[in-house]
Amino acid sequence: NAGVTQTPKFQVLKTGQSMTLQCAQDMNHNSMYWYRQDPGMGLRLIYYSASEGTTDKGEVPNGYNVSRLNKREFSLRLESAAPSQTSVYFCASSEWDISTDTQYFGPGTRLTVL
Amino acid sequence: GESVGLHLPTLSVQEGDNSIINCAYSNSASDYFIWYKQESGKGPQFIIDIRSNMDKRQGQRVTVLLNKTVKHLSLQIAATQPGDSAVYFCAEEPGDSGAGSYQLTFGKGTKLSVIP
Repeated sequence: NAGVTQTPKFQVLKTGQSMTLQCAQDMNHNSMYWYRQDPGMGLRLIYYSASEGTTDKGEVPNGYNVSRLNKREFSLRLESAAPSQTSVYFCASSEWDISTDTQYFGPGTRLTVL
Repeated sequence: GESVGLHLPTLSVQEGDNSIINCAYSNSASDYFIWYKQESGKGPQFIIDIRSNMDKRQGQRVTVLLNKTVKHLSLQIAATQPGDSAVYFCAEEPGDSGAGSYQLTFGKGTKLSVIP
């Protein structure tokens, strides 16, 4: 049981390049999330998927797209990377029940855009 | 406790002492709270959670206290160990968000440093 996994761990891009960050969870959770974490800003929600087949914008969606490929996988795409997208990206998943609604996080992808 | 700004608040404690990390939350409608631990270079790790119908919950070496009157949450770590050194942050979920934690709001964190 690996929990939430993310690839790659590190990435350096040039301005204008595109890339896709991959995320997978093996906890059979319905909901998945993408966050970015910047110094002094805390975690900010980019997009989320409440269940397979649905995606919605979070607090900072501009410049990103997502795909909920199946129940396990949720990818984040940067079509034309900008230096402002230099950040650490975390994927998370959760499953609501009456007693808990905790999000479980992956190890993160550290992205630098030059 | 947690605050807005570029520099995280820091708490330094001696190994073996108890640690108390505070969080002031903003939404009086929040009914679910979570504490996370984040070690350098790693993702946030769930520690403990509490719903608003409780004012205290205990885990292994950790206790979360909730004071809804003043919108305050605290995390107590007993017998702090070097491995507890990390950034700790709280998250709150509004009670009107329905089933699903889509509206979790995260605090910016407190850095705990344990002195051996």
